[in-house]
Amino acid sequence: QSALTQPPSASGSPGQSVTISCTGTSSDVGGYNYVSWYQQHPGKAPKLMIYEVNKRPSGVPDRFSGSKSGNTASLTVSGLQAEDEADYYCSSYAGGNNLNVFGTGTKVTVL
Amino acid sequence: QVQLQESGPGLVKPSETLSLTCGVSGYSISSGYYWGWIRQPPGKGLEWIGSIYHGETTYYNPSLKSRVTISVDTSKNQFSLKLTSVTAADTAVYFCARHSITSAVTYWGQGTLVTVSS
Repeated sequence: QSALTQPPSASGSPGQSVTISCTGTSSDVGGYNYVSWYQQHPGKAPKLMIYEVNKRPSGVPDRFSGSKSGNTASLTVSGLQAEDEADYYCSSYAGGNNLNVFGTGTKVTVL
Repeated sequence: QVQLQESGPGLVKPSETLSLTCGVSGYSISSGYYWGWIRQPPGKGLEWIGSIYHGETTYYNPSLKSRVTISVDTSKNQFSLKLTSVTAADTAVYFCARHSITSAVTYWGQGTLVTVSS
């Protein structure tokens, strides 16, 4: 299985929005509405931010939103704050016994 | 509150077997959900290794399947990872995790660094 493709980096000033893409295939992202997004700060375990394409777990600010079109999913962070600076990873169910494929990761910098 | 904690050797010799255990508190692993292992090489991205469901059905990353075994000890409420014939490429932080069939990981262990070196 190949990792989902994400841009290596993205940035924005405080208060602005940033959107991260996650491109897969019809066998993973495009085939199921089971895309998740994780935020990871240095030295920490990832934190679930979005699941099932566009659902937010309890406690995640509504500044974080997800969407999907075809084989590409996206995470948008609106109203950027300093604490949003982190690495972000997408993941998708990939069918059959292939429960989980992760994206390559995107480093978000708040300018 | 569900908590997961990895334990095991931090250093493994090349060609040997990496063995880790994940202790779970706050939830009985026999009650449901998928329990799995995810790793992250230093400075790199996340890779799903495999998962186990209901203590018996296992799912493995196709690229690691020939070397991986995940098992459960319900009496101790813990699950384990064995990865055979390790090389330097297996050096990583290993996380244990709980996830749903939709692949969303809701609970993570803190992670443990395993270095493969002689």
